[in-house]
Amino acid sequence: QKEVEQDPGPLSVPEGAIVSLNCTYSNSAFQYFMWYRQYSRKGPELLMYTYSSGNKEDGRFTAQVDKSSKYISLFIRDSQPSDSATYLCAIKGAQKLVFGQGTRLTINP
Amino acid sequence: GAVVSQHPSRVICKSGTSVKIECRSLDFQATTMFWYRQFPKQSLMLMATSNEGSKATYEQGVEKDKFLINHASLTLSTLTVTSAHPEDSSFYICSARGSEGYNEQFFGPGTRLTVL
Repeated sequence: QKEVEQDPGPLSVPEGAIVSLNCTYSNSAFQYFMWYRQYSRKGPELLMYTYSSGNKEDGRFTAQVDKSSKYISLFIRDSQPSDSATYLCAIKGAQKLVFGQGTRLTINP
Repeated sequence: GAVVSQHPSRVICKSGTSVKIECRSLDFQATTMFWYRQFPKQSLMLMATSNEGSKATYEQGVEKDKFLINHASLTLSTLTVTSAHPEDSSFYICSARGSEGYNEQFFGPGTRLTVL
């Protein structure tokens, strides 16, 4: 079993839709949860970072963590074509980040 | 956020040559730097972790004699792919973490290596 599981997609939605991206993890010792956005042929960019269960909001983005279920989500409201990218969840263990496979998202105008 | 640069952004070389990739933290001191490898449509795989002034710690299965990492200063780390072969062709990404933002890593733009 992988430490972090993420549906690779691809996911295609119309502009303005609400997007839900999800990851599950296996190790309850993980404490820090991140979402990165990666455009094609570029390095990942940190979008959201949280360490507790519950929701964290930043503009159109909401990160949700449910430690009891070992489940994390990223919601994108009012999605834009510029949101088209690969979204990677990353979970921090004792020392290093463990990444999910990444979900390729396309927002269609 | 903090800025991390990489150079070169793209390199093409012949099989058997060595290639050096530089990673710089531009506006903060990076006590720890990480090197990742990413194949097309796949996630990032950690290759090694280096702390300034110390030897790098390599992940299982990564040949330390092939992928030489130097972290000589708080703003610069280098990855040298020695005697590169076509199977080393990949997207190499560095990441840096400062002492204050222990749980945040900032990534460089990546270097695409193509070995002919």
